[in-house]
Amino acid sequence: DAGITQSPRYKITETGRQVTLMCHQTWSHSYMFWYRQDLGHGLRLIYYSAAADITDKGEVPDGYVVSRSKTENFPLTLESATRSQTSVYFCASRTGGLNTEAFFGQGTRLTVV
Amino acid sequence: QQPVQSPQAVILREGEDAVINCSSSKALYSVHWYRQKHGEAPVFLMILLKGGEQKGHDKISASFNEKKQQSSLYLTASQLSYSGTYFCGTEIPNNAGNMLTFGGGTRLMVKP
Repeated sequence: DAGITQSPRYKITETGRQVTLMCHQTWSHSYMFWYRQDLGHGLRLIYYSAAADITDKGEVPDGYVVSRSKTENFPLTLESATRSQTSVYFCASRTGGLNTEAFFGQGTRLTVV
Repeated sequence: QQPVQSPQAVILREGEDAVINCSSSKALYSVHWYRQKHGEAPVFLMILLKGGEQKGHDKISASFNEKKQQSSLYLTASQLSYSGTYFCGTEIPNNAGNMLTFGGGTRLMVKP
């Protein structure tokens, strides 16, 4: 299916475990982003990538790791999950042109117990 | 670095108007507006690229005051379908490309 998809949609994990959230897009968009959404904080940028093998920190990168070996995939890894990382995570992508529309995945609801 | 939105929440009756404001302490090169329905992903509304630019989409329009580093979203004659959370976003040039950051959101509820 064309578009941007996230997996899993829901995840429950224990404190201290490593967990990876997947994001896949079929448009060959250059840019990809990871956000977390918490009540009262809106969408906060975790990491972003302008192209394969080019990534950079966003506003709240601590405790997260990303990689982008292929244009279409942008996985987000929580190295040692903490309760404060319980959140809804959104992946987004857009073309390389500046000031273009971003398309969001359906989100992953992560609960750390 | 997040833009600041106001108000945080608005309750309207159908047919009433609303204004959502977005401001930044840093220079705004462009402003994005998105709407998110409950339990869904944010969806693009419009982008404003130049100071003084105004855009409209149905009865939703926006303006961008580059000098004041702010943008406003105008919802005219609101409909029930306008309910949701509205986010403004701004692109910040960086060494590794453009970051796209969003404000805290404005929750809009339209009642019959």
